[in-house]
Amino acid sequence: DTGVSQNPRHKITKRGQNVTFRCDPISEHNRLYWYRQTLGQGPEFLTYFQNEAQLEKSRLLSDRFSAERPKGSFSTLEIQRTEQGDSAMYLCASGGTGEWNGYTFGSGTRLTVV
Amino acid sequence: AQRVTQPEKLLSVFKGAPVELKCNYSYSGSPELFWYVQYSRQRLQLLLRHISRESIKGFTADLNKGETSFHLKKPFAQEEDSAMYYCALSTPSGNTPLVFGKGTRLSVIA
Repeated sequence: DTGVSQNPRHKITKRGQNVTFRCDPISEHNRLYWYRQTLGQGPEFLTYFQNEAQLEKSRLLSDRFSAERPKGSFSTLEIQRTEQGDSAMYLCASGGTGEWNGYTFGSGTRLTVV
Repeated sequence: AQRVTQPEKLLSVFKGAPVELKCNYSYSGSPELFWYVQYSRQRLQLLLRHISRESIKGFTADLNKGETSFHLKKPFAQEEDSAMYYCALSTPSGNTPLVFGKGTRLSVIA
């Protein structure tokens, strides 16, 4: 297991286009989290899944954002009609529901909307 | 609502000097607290959690419920400690997502 994997590492898109990011968590982790990080800020929670169920969504997650985790394995985060304000690092993390040891983060996907 | 405050954006210390990165939290119950570190060009990684009461890379952190603080300390800073440090909070058993502070950049000067 190589940890949490995110693809792509970088994405440049024109305003108004749709983008999709993928996250592959650590296989034995049943919880998967999406965070967003902008310059000078800590990671801000977007949404999380336990297995395939989406349990919580932040107010930051506008209706242009949608996340899925089919079959409780990998997850995708889609942003429709991107705006310049969506430019950020999108982080994925996974964790278990057993002994609480925090999360393991991926390297992130850096989105630039031009 | 849970909140984490890291009052310093940047902390510069000389090599060999003591380090204290401040973290204050707002939560009415008993929190689970963590310190994460991000070295240059690397992913965010867990440094330590308060419940394990361990020392990682010479860093320790003590939970002070009276002052609602979880400051990170190291007696002698090393150049390789230069990084972004984030304090984070969750509820017991991790049933709510981690809430992060804005982070403090530690710069250790040779």
